[in-house]
Amino acid sequence: GAGVSQSPRYKVTKRGQDVALRCDPISGHVSLYWYRQALGQGPEFLTYFNYEAQQDKSGLPNDRFSAERPEGSISTLTIQRTEQRDSAMYRCASSLIAGGQLGEETQYFGPGTRLLVL
Amino acid sequence: AQTVTQSQPEMSVQEAETVTLSCTYDTSESDYYLFWYKQPPSRQMILVIRQEAYKQQNATENRFSVNFQKAAKSFSLKISDSQLGDAAMYFCAYRSARGGSQGNLIFGKGTKLSVKP
Repeated sequence: GAGVSQSPRYKVTKRGQDVALRCDPISGHVSLYWYRQALGQGPEFLTYFNYEAQQDKSGLPNDRFSAERPEGSISTLTIQRTEQRDSAMYRCASSLIAGGQLGEETQYFGPGTRLLVL
Repeated sequence: AQTVTQSQPEMSVQEAETVTLSCTYDTSESDYYLFWYKQPPSRQMILVIRQEAYKQQNATENRFSVNFQKAAKSFSLKISDSQLGDAAMYFCAYRSARGGSQGNLIFGKGTKLSVKP
């Protein structure tokens, strides 16, 4: 596709339910990042992948959050047993080169998934 | 750990005028990149401009330019000839260029820019 896409764009769920958020990066992009953005704040790093390997998950808030990118392309962020504090905009970004390598890197963001936990 | 600070929660500018948004950052690294992203009401994140820390020349993209002061750890964004479509939230972001780093962006809290007709 022409850009990063995310689905669903909006998700309303009840507390305790599991949700899966999908990110489809720009074709050929090696690195994929997940961020979470609370209202009125800047995005905060959650985790990232180079190809299919999860390189860092230090930003995941707790073990209810997990992510995968099994074929090095589409990624899924899963939140189990959702809580109201999980409500936020979840953003995905991809970049052409692998994160952590010296060199220019620009991250292109998807439109985000707005999650509301009731 | 690196931090990014945007001290102006809100700014306002008259259409066709010039406005400067401030950003400071804290790092012990010498190699890094700095970015300004725009987030319009649609909440997309759009790259506005990028600066490599090893380049002394300030980056420019049409009406957007930066004033990069490495010693002062300052990275301000100047928007010239402001247009109504420039109204948005603007985020300053830092990315390490150090080998082995995650490469994730560290964002400030943003500055909300209003443009008055």
